[in-house]
Amino acid sequence: KAGVTQTPRYLIKTRGQQVTLSCSPISGHRSVSWYQQTPGQGLQFLFEYFSETQRNKGNFPGRFSGRQFSNSRSEMNVSTLELGDSALYLCASSFVQSTDTQYFGPGTRLTVL
Amino acid sequence: DQQVKQNSPSLSVQEGRISILNCDYTNSMFDYFLWYKKYPAEGPTFLISISSIKDKNEDGRFTVFLNKSAKHLSLHIVPSQPGDSAVYFCAASVPGNTGKLIFGQGTTLQVKP
Repeated sequence: KAGVTQTPRYLIKTRGQQVTLSCSPISGHRSVSWYQQTPGQGLQFLFEYFSETQRNKGNFPGRFSGRQFSNSRSEMNVSTLELGDSALYLCASSFVQSTDTQYFGPGTRLTVL
Repeated sequence: DQQVKQNSPSLSVQEGRISILNCDYTNSMFDYFLWYKKYPAEGPTFLISISSIKDKNEDGRFTVFLNKSAKHLSLHIVPSQPGDSAVYFCAASVPGNTGKLIFGQGTTLQVKP
């Protein structure tokens, strides 16, 4: 069974631009969570989608948004990029319940110049 | 507010010996705990998990112990192999807080041949 895939793997943007990252979950998984990993803050939860609805949200500004499609694929968008948004963005998929194990994709490395 | 803490940033062990990675938490509502292994520029790989109703779970060379009264869990790797060298994260989830895992800061394990 194929794992979680994320595209693109690397991205370079400049301040003020916006970016869209994509995540395809493991087949059969309906929940997709997004995380930001930085050296200073570690792995921080951004939001979670299930059945095209955002079920949970972390403590990030409104510039960070996401959506999920009917096939469970998910995208996250960051508008008006700041230097501090440079990070590894990870998505993880799981079946349904909060106690279901999350499986992570390889991540998208975003660099903001 | 660091709810999940890994107080040892690094650990070095000899090949064939036991590796013990520790994790402390503060939120007694956590009901599910997981350990992930991460290589640079890759997403975390799931290793093993434990429900709060258990105190031990074993999978091959990996065993996780949970001490709820001390709010402490540990991961034992026996025997350690050079391929185990990576960053190890413990994570926890709260019932009803769907899709959100709270991660520790990670411990870098080096297994020397």
